[in-house]
Amino acid sequence: AQSVAQPEDQVNVAEGNPLTVKCTYSVSGNPYLFWYVQYPNRGLQFLLKYITGDNLVKGSYGFEAEFNKSQTSFHLKKPSALVSDSALYFCAVRDMSNYQLIWGAGTKLIIKP
Amino acid sequence: DGGITQSPKYLFRKEGQNVTLSCEQNLNHDAMYWYRQDPGQGLRLIYYSQIVNDFQKGDIAEGYSVSREKKESFPLTVTSAQKNPTAFYLCASSNAGDNSPLHFGNGTRLTVT
Repeated sequence: AQSVAQPEDQVNVAEGNPLTVKCTYSVSGNPYLFWYVQYPNRGLQFLLKYITGDNLVKGSYGFEAEFNKSQTSFHLKKPSALVSDSALYFCAVRDMSNYQLIWGAGTKLIIKP
Repeated sequence: DGGITQSPKYLFRKEGQNVTLSCEQNLNHDAMYWYRQDPGQGLRLIYYSQIVNDFQKGDIAEGYSVSREKKESFPLTVTSAQKNPTAFYLCASSNAGDNSPLHFGNGTRLTVT
């Protein structure tokens, strides 16, 4: 079965430090992978996607993600965290049987000043 | 300014009543989606529509109904048959194509007592 896992419910990082939010996936075939961010009581916003090509994908707000096929991972990263990065982050993978997204449970990122 | 509008932001209903959530987009997107979000869970797909006058059930369609009479509009009705309707409901839209990101509205928080 196809699935996405975000192993950490919450990640705490000090402002200015690098951050990583983890995502692993299980799909048949080549994965289409996405990261979204959700601020409180708002909808989700698209950050970045991996379809093919370079394993390091750059997205909005200084975020990037590294696709690792052998580890079936797509971790979200940022070199220097901001307090305003505090939010809920979702990883998703395209289910190629119906082209809908399979979502991880989300990781709450807290950046402390 | 293009986007997706969900209304109302908050909705309160008594158990046994049907309620309709509005979703309108002016992005000229073909596809529209309804998701349900519960704390600690990823998004779960209720219904989606890839073209006017056509829609498909998602993973949790029971107790919900939709219509897609216009490209811009995709209202969701939560019926009295939905056993646990209290949740945050998100509408999204996208261009056709399996690597197109979703654009989300800001959600409707439904409370049924």
